[in-house]
Amino acid sequence: KQEVTQIPAALSVPEGENLVLNCSFTDSAIYNLQWFRQDPGKGLTSLLLIQSSQREQTSGRLNASLDKSSGRSTLYIAASQPGDSATYLCAVKLVFGAGTILRVKS
Amino acid sequence: GAGVSQSPRYKVAKRGQDVALRCDPISGHVSLFWYQQALGQGPEFLTYFQNEAQLDKSGLPSDRFFAERPEGSVSTLKIQRTQQEDSAVYLCASSPRGRGGLEQFFGPGTRLTVL
Repeated sequence: KQEVTQIPAALSVPEGENLVLNCSFTDSAIYNLQWFRQDPGKGLTSLLLIQSSQREQTSGRLNASLDKSSGRSTLYIAASQPGDSATYLCAVKLVFGAGTILRVKS
Repeated sequence: GAGVSQSPRYKVAKRGQDVALRCDPISGHVSLFWYQQALGQGPEFLTYFQNEAQLDKSGLPSDRFFAERPEGSVSTLKIQRTQQEDSAVYLCASSPRGRGGLEQFFGPGTRLTVL
């Protein structure tokens, strides 16, 4: 059974800092891995989708990497802003991690 | 439509009542998923439709939960004889292809509170 773990559970950084969120999964037989953002009381917004054949995807200040063999993905956020404050979730084969709560202080 | 919509956005039910939650996926999307999200947790998979066929219902927590998508578009998640542990946010997502394909697009969710 696929298990997805996200570290850290919570992170607080000053504005402007670069940061890395981690996601690990136990079953490497995946089609893709998806990173989402969730604001309080809202649904999930897709940030990046990495296919199993890809090693990374970039969108603006966001970069996600995928290492299938080790069962890991990272989400890198450059030059963080207060508007980046949210919960970040990764999902593999319909299984979600518990998320990382990010707070960017101005 | 522009995105996935869900209704109602909020539902309060007395214990024992039946509830029905609606999901309107993005037009033309083949796949539809239902998830349950408890406070402070990630979403947990409930069930999956490809067009009108319910291909996976392994995540439904009990036989009080029932989902349908009769015409391969709108879907309804029904919970019979609600219990307090059913209180959660119910999220619907759609995807343009089959289960292992492209990315999922989520609706805003329905927050169910069972008193």
